[in-house]
Amino acid sequence: DAKTTQPPSMDCAEGRAANLPCNHSTISGNEYVYWYRQIHSQGPQYIIHGLKNNETNEMASLIITEDRKSSTLILPHATLRDTAVYYCIVRVILSGGYQKVTFGTGTKLQVIP
Amino acid sequence: NAGVTQTPKFRVLKTGQSMTLLCAQDMNHEYMYWYRQDPGMGLRLIHYSVGEGTTAKGEVPDGYNVSRLKKQNFLLGLESAAPSQTSVYFCASSYLTGGSTDTQYFGPGTRLTVL
Repeated sequence: DAKTTQPPSMDCAEGRAANLPCNHSTISGNEYVYWYRQIHSQGPQYIIHGLKNNETNEMASLIITEDRKSSTLILPHATLRDTAVYYCIVRVILSGGYQKVTFGTGTKLQVIP
Repeated sequence: NAGVTQTPKFRVLKTGQSMTLLCAQDMNHEYMYWYRQDPGMGLRLIHYSVGEGTTAKGEVPDGYNVSRLKKQNFLLGLESAAPSQTSVYFCASSYLTGGSTDTQYFGPGTRLTVL
């Protein structure tokens, strides 16, 4: 799987949009971009994923550049409960179910009152 | 649905002792995974399973064994615990959608300390 690069930390004011960048310049054509977050020491939680097109769900929006080498996760109105470590990963399920995935160290987002 | 559950939540072992961590899911997922997370680090895949009776090595499999005798359970074993295995262990499960994507659902974690 392609490696990802994220800034180690970011701050965001409560109520403002949080934009978390991710670089995945070596992504392959069949690899999806996934975002998870981990609040405190809980198990990671799925947020959103996409291949080429921008995606939106009740939690966030995912913007993928046209060349697919980078993406941005957008939390439209950050709350204190969004303070967490956000992981950007790329993954693909190959034939027979073989897969390899690396979560990396993510971005620690601190939402400030 | 309980989702993904892990047993135990905490455990302290002495070097050389053995133990088994149990992961259970009630979502009828095909895929199950074991990860470890060391302080300040991301998750690293230990072993995974693509279905009942199957297992495969992940990124850091040494020192661990796994079994998937039932679809809903995935066991992680440490035969001879070492201090380097002190970590938080997360189990996850997923199912394929569209043939090439999956969303993983994680358990709450097991905090293991090896003295």
